[in-house]
Amino acid sequence: AQSVTQLGSHVSVSEGALVLLRCNYSSSVPPYLFWYVQYPNQGLQLLLKYTTGATLVKGINGFEAEFKKSETSFHLTKPSAHMSDAAEYFCAVSGEAAGNKLTFGGGTRVLVKP
Amino acid sequence: DSGVTQTPKHLITATGQRVTLRCSPRSGDLSVYWYQQSLDQGLQFLIQYYNGEERAKGNILERFSAQQFPDLHSELNLSSLELGDSALYFCASSVHTGGALGNTIYFGEGSWLTVV
Repeated sequence: AQSVTQLGSHVSVSEGALVLLRCNYSSSVPPYLFWYVQYPNQGLQLLLKYTTGATLVKGINGFEAEFKKSETSFHLTKPSAHMSDAAEYFCAVSGEAAGNKLTFGGGTRVLVKP
Repeated sequence: DSGVTQTPKHLITATGQRVTLRCSPRSGDLSVYWYQQSLDQGLQFLIQYYNGEERAKGNILERFSAQQFPDLHSELNLSSLELGDSALYFCASSVHTGGALGNTIYFGEGSWLTVV
């Protein structure tokens, strides 16, 4: 079975400050890891994903995440927050044995203060 | 725009009723997934179809059923609706299913269901 834990259901950052969203996973098979963003009243949009290879993954809108197998983590960062980053962010895991379905964390809502 | 189309966008219905949510996957995608998003349960995987066949089943109630048609569109049927079924229902699609390297799953904008 696979599971995802996102630490902090709400994060508040100042505009221009570092955004750090934490994600830890559990998986009995090699994981594929994803970050999705959900803007108000919209669907989920893929920010980035890790499958194999380079452990530092760059995504859209200046976000990146690093896969750390030893820590079972896949934290999401952005060096400088923008007002448009206010949204809810979901970490997810999938694996070959799981039929490629995604298992999501509880989500982290990001508030950006001017 | 992800290319995944869901209808209707909003639906209000009474308890005990039955509704059908429809999904058209991205062109070329063979796999369709249904997810439920609610405040108390978060994002829950319901069911997956691949090229017309059920591939994986998650936390889907017996009152709910789904199918994928030969043209690859999918429908999620919700019956004997209860207040607790009020949620945002997402359809998503991907090219392949298990065995592929974590291929991207694209989500539609969801169907908001309110049961009153």
